[in-house]
Amino acid sequence: AQKVTQAQTEISVVEKEDVTLDCVYETRDTTYYLFWYKQPPSGELVFLIRRNSFDEQNEISGRYSWNFQKSTSSFNFTITASQVVDSAVYFCALSEALSNSGYALNFGKGTSLLVTP
Amino acid sequence: GAVVSQHPSRVICKSGTSVKIECRSLDFQATTMFWYRQFPKKSLMLMATSNEGSKATYEQGVEKDKFLINHASLTLSTLTVTSAHPEDSSFYICSARAGTDYSPLHFGNGTRLTVT
Repeated sequence: AQKVTQAQTEISVVEKEDVTLDCVYETRDTTYYLFWYKQPPSGELVFLIRRNSFDEQNEISGRYSWNFQKSTSSFNFTITASQVVDSAVYFCALSEALSNSGYALNFGKGTSLLVTP
Repeated sequence: GAVVSQHPSRVICKSGTSVKIECRSLDFQATTMFWYRQFPKKSLMLMATSNEGSKATYEQGVEKDKFLINHASLTLSTLTVTSAHPEDSSFYICSARAGTDYSPLHFGNGTRLTVT
């Protein structure tokens, strides 16, 4: 069965600190996709990144970076120099193949990040 | 691009009534849409996969007669919560896929349903 584990339920940091959100996944699929989404208090889900299982290159986008380690089945997300606006719930998700093609998303339980001034 | 609009954003209804939630892909065609449910401080649980022109595929434990899904066009899927009860109160989010089978899913802003 597909499974996504975000062990950190809540994290609180002071502005400008770096913070890493952990994500560990389980899958038997040889091809899969990993995602990170941000859910601010307003509720909408904001797409951050998608990573193909064959692409283990780490990615950096501004203050955000992602570390995909297939050997440890992890896809961790780091925010550098955190800001108050980064406060949100962050979800890691794994693609789950559908019988009729394509995929749905299997979400972790989310990590609530609070950045205080 | 790839905007998904969900309406209404909030709805309060009385027990026993039905509520319809709309999910529209504004600038792309979506052959597949997904409906998720999120309890407070919980993860998103996939309820069903909605395919244009065919019956929705429901996840185990989701009552298809309770949560009616219609995907009548390539840009619109609706979720109707029938005979709503307080335990149906939740945050419902739709998502749609633009492009190929493995393109990213884009989510609507969600609908907060409160059943009194």
